[in-house]
Amino acid sequence: EAGVAQSPRYKIIEKRQSVAFWCNPISGHATLYWYQQILGQGPKLLIQFQNNGVVDDSQLPKDRFSAERLKGVDSTLKIQPAKLEDSAVYLCASSLQTGGVRKSTDTQYFGPGTRLTVL
Amino acid sequence: QKEVEQNSGPLSVPEGAIASLNCTYSDRGSQSFFWYRQYSGKSPELIMFIYSNGDKEDGRFTAQLNKASQYVSLLIRDSQPSDSATYLCAGNKLIFGAGTRLAVHP
Repeated sequence: EAGVAQSPRYKIIEKRQSVAFWCNPISGHATLYWYQQILGQGPKLLIQFQNNGVVDDSQLPKDRFSAERLKGVDSTLKIQPAKLEDSAVYLCASSLQTGGVRKSTDTQYFGPGTRLTVL
Repeated sequence: QKEVEQNSGPLSVPEGAIASLNCTYSDRGSQSFFWYRQYSGKSPELIMFIYSNGDKEDGRFTAQLNKASQYVSLLIRDSQPSDSATYLCAGNKLIFGAGTRLAVHP
């Protein structure tokens, strides 16, 4: 079974530029997550999709970040314009389902991440 | 108070010893917990999940959950240098702790 795919793996941009990340979840996984992980910290959830609907985007800085999952499969995360503090690893994860309690199907599988450096 | 707290470490243990990693949480509504291992420069990978009070064992790993005291722990028996990584605790509300760095020395 193929894992979560992300691209690009690395990106270096200057502040105020825009950037986009792409994620392809594990086949059949309804739920997709985007996390931001700053060096030395745990992952911070930015947005969670259930199929093509948004479940939680409360921590997404909506003035500069946007995400979509139009057909309920692939997803893109965009930053425009980027700031220095956006330098981080952006992780995409997927799970079979979510919202349940005591379900192993809530388990998230992470992609390799995109390391973003903003200069 | 952070919702999920972990000691950042590093926790240093000799090879063959038991490593004990702890996590406390503030939201009593959290019912499931996940332990992830993250090697430097890599993405998190799931080790175990637990939702019932008590212990859950899987090979060298044992997760313990105490809902009354609001803590969850991970024990690693017979620690190996390959276990050296950051261990992340997360609740089912998708909030991660900052992680504890474990160093197993030969």
